[in-house]
Amino acid sequence: NAGVTQTPKFQVLKTGQSMTLQCAQDMNHEYMSWYRQDPGMGLRLIHYSVGAGITDQGEVPNGYNVSRSTTEDFPLRLLSAAPSQTSVYFCATRLDYEQYFGPGTRLTVT
Amino acid sequence: AQSVTQLDSQVPVFEEAPVELRCNYSSSVSVYLFWYVQYPNQGLQLLLKYLSGSTLVESINGFEAEFNKSQTSFHLRKPSVHISDTAEYFCAISNFGNEKLTFGTGTRLTIIP
Repeated sequence: NAGVTQTPKFQVLKTGQSMTLQCAQDMNHEYMSWYRQDPGMGLRLIHYSVGAGITDQGEVPNGYNVSRSTTEDFPLRLLSAAPSQTSVYFCATRLDYEQYFGPGTRLTVT
Repeated sequence: AQSVTQLDSQVPVFEEAPVELRCNYSSSVSVYLFWYVQYPNQGLQLLLKYLSGSTLVESINGFEAEFNKSQTSFHLRKPSVHISDTAEYFCAISNFGNEKLTFGTGTRLTIIP
């Protein structure tokens, strides 16, 4: 039982490039979410999904897209990376008010 | 709107000394309260939670937190810390029936040998 997995662990992008951060879970949880973590700002919700085919915006959605075609996967897409998107990104699932976090992806945009 | 305030960004404590990490929240409706811990280079893990019942909740590694509704606080305490407690601690809340979490900015606990 792997829980929540994220790939890649590290990524460096140039401004304007696009990429997809992958998130997968094997716990069959309906709720999944993406957060970004920046120093002194805690975790901020980017997008979330309450089930396959259903997504919604969180606190800081601009510059990010998501889709949820299966219960297991919830990829986060950066269409045109900007230096302001340099951050650590965490995917999480949720069951009964407890969230389960992945190990994170550290993204640097130059 | 709801918010979480963690008053201390960094707390240095000597090993085996007690510690209190402060958390206050603001919400117009009733909330559930959580403390998450993030060890270096890892994701967050749930440390303890208050959903209902006794206002004092405990974790398996000796931490406890008390929900104080009148002071809108959920401070985290441990009577004697260890080197292994070095981590960042996040307080979080969610509303009844709302699955979204609102996090505080975190408190970095450093244990001094």
